[in-house]
Amino acid sequence: DIQMTQSPSSLSASVGDRVTITCRASQSISSYLNWYQQKSGKAPKLLIYAASSLQSGVPSRFSGSGSGTDFTLTISSLQPEDFATYYCQQSYSAPRTFGPGTKVDIK
Amino acid sequence: QVQLQQSGPGLVKPSQTLSLTCAVSGDSVSSNSAAWNWIRQSPSRGLEWLGRTYYRSKWYNDYAVSVKSRIIINPDTSKNQFSLQLHSVTPEDTAVYYCARGAAPAPFDYWGQGTLVTVSS
Repeated sequence: DIQMTQSPSSLSASVGDRVTITCRASQSISSYLNWYQQKSGKAPKLLIYAASSLQSGVPSRFSGSGSGTDFTLTISSLQPEDFATYYCQQSYSAPRTFGPGTKVDIK
Repeated sequence: QVQLQQSGPGLVKPSQTLSLTCAVSGDSVSSNSAAWNWIRQSPSRGLEWLGRTYYRSKWYNDYAVSVKSRIIINPDTSKNQFSLQLHSVTPEDTAVYYCARGAAPAPFDYWGQGTLVTVSS
C-alpha cells in the first residue's frame, strides 16, 4: 500500500494568514492526489483533485501543487470557516489511502 | 445534485454483522462511470477505504485486504442504493462509516452524512 504522510500534524494560525500544508507519498503517484476538508461531526469535503484542480464551488483561496511524491495545499488568506482538519488522499493505486490529517485551529 | 443518504443501526454486538445502506439520488448505482464506496474513520486507524462496487457491463467488487474475509458490498438497483455488511465485528470495528462516490482515479466527490457504529455488548 502507498503510505501518505502530512506535515505539520497541527498548526495554529490567524485569520488572514497564509497557510501551507505538505503531503508526501511513499512512492510516486504522479498527480493523483486529492485534498479534503473535514469539520467536526461532518463528512470530508473535496477541495482539490488531481493535485491542483479546484473542485466546483470551492473558494479560490485554496490551491494545490506538486507531483510525484511531494504535494502542497495552500490557503492564501485564512478565513474563519477554514478552521478544520485537512486530509490528502492518493488515487494512483488500490487501495486508495489517506494521510493522517492536519488540524488547523485558531491562534 | 448527487446526494447519498445513509441508514442503519448505531450499535452492534461483538461477533454479529454490521449492516448499513446508502441511498443514492442524482446518479445511478448502475452508472458505467461511477463507483460506490464505503470508508470508515476512527481515531486509531484514521480514514480507511473498505471497498467498492461498480458496474462496467457487469458488477464488480473490490475490498481492502484488512477486511476482505468479512465484508460484502452489494448494489440494489431497484432502490438505487448499495449496502455494506461487515461480519464478525469486534470493538476494533467501532468507527464512523461513510459511503462515497468515486471511481479511481477520480476522487471521492460526494459523501454520505456518516454513521457512528459502536461495537459493544
